[in-house]
Amino acid sequence: GAVVSQHPSRVICKSGTSVKIECRSLDFQATTMFWYRQFPKKSLMLMATSNEGSKATYEQGVEKDKFLINHASLTLSTLTVTSAHPEDSSFYICSAPGSGTSGYYEQYFGPGTRLTVT
Amino acid sequence: SQQGEEDPQALSIQEGENATMNCSYKTSINNLQWYRQNSGRGLVHLILIRSNEREKHSGRLRVTLDTSKKSSSLLITASRAADTASYFCATRGRGSTLGRLYFGRGTQLTVWP
Repeated sequence: GAVVSQHPSRVICKSGTSVKIECRSLDFQATTMFWYRQFPKKSLMLMATSNEGSKATYEQGVEKDKFLINHASLTLSTLTVTSAHPEDSSFYICSAPGSGTSGYYEQYFGPGTRLTVT
Repeated sequence: SQQGEEDPQALSIQEGENATMNCSYKTSINNLQWYRQNSGRGLVHLILIRSNEREKHSGRLRVTLDTSKKSSSLLITASRAADTASYFCATRGRGSTLGRLYFGRGTQLTVWP
């Protein structure tokens, strides 16, 4: 099946710094990618939809200036957490839809990035 | 909210037993998907059932969908210790952006050897 990678898998940073997380589709092209956030023992919360060649679409309540998304190519989307604070510590997961048949698409998820802000 | 809700939140069984997890949702859907997540890892797609389907099988997995009750169930037969993981249902609403999914809180399944 299709593979999505994320880098880094873990990152620890100090408050006030910025962190960039990469999401790559390795063997397929993705004009759309999705960024999720997951708190411990909780569900995935969709943060934004990343669109190649255009601006990302953010979910209600997600600060676009805080979480910068750039979909630079058909295989790469990046999420930058700017001026990180301890409350930004979380598990960030990206996904990309596969080329399903008849319009029914499954999602391929990256392995996630554990961000810890100290 | 379109978010699915799984039930139970946690399930603990012995190897060889069957595990049943339920999911309820609130709005009309295009399809419903089940995913598995091992601790601290990404999600793995298990099975997708379309809104016009009622039951689907894949190996030891059996999924049902009742759109009148807005509910789905995932049955894992003859469970193994390796099935220990969190299981999430996710719905894609009718007319929603391609691939946009709403996840429930998940069921934590523990299978004891």
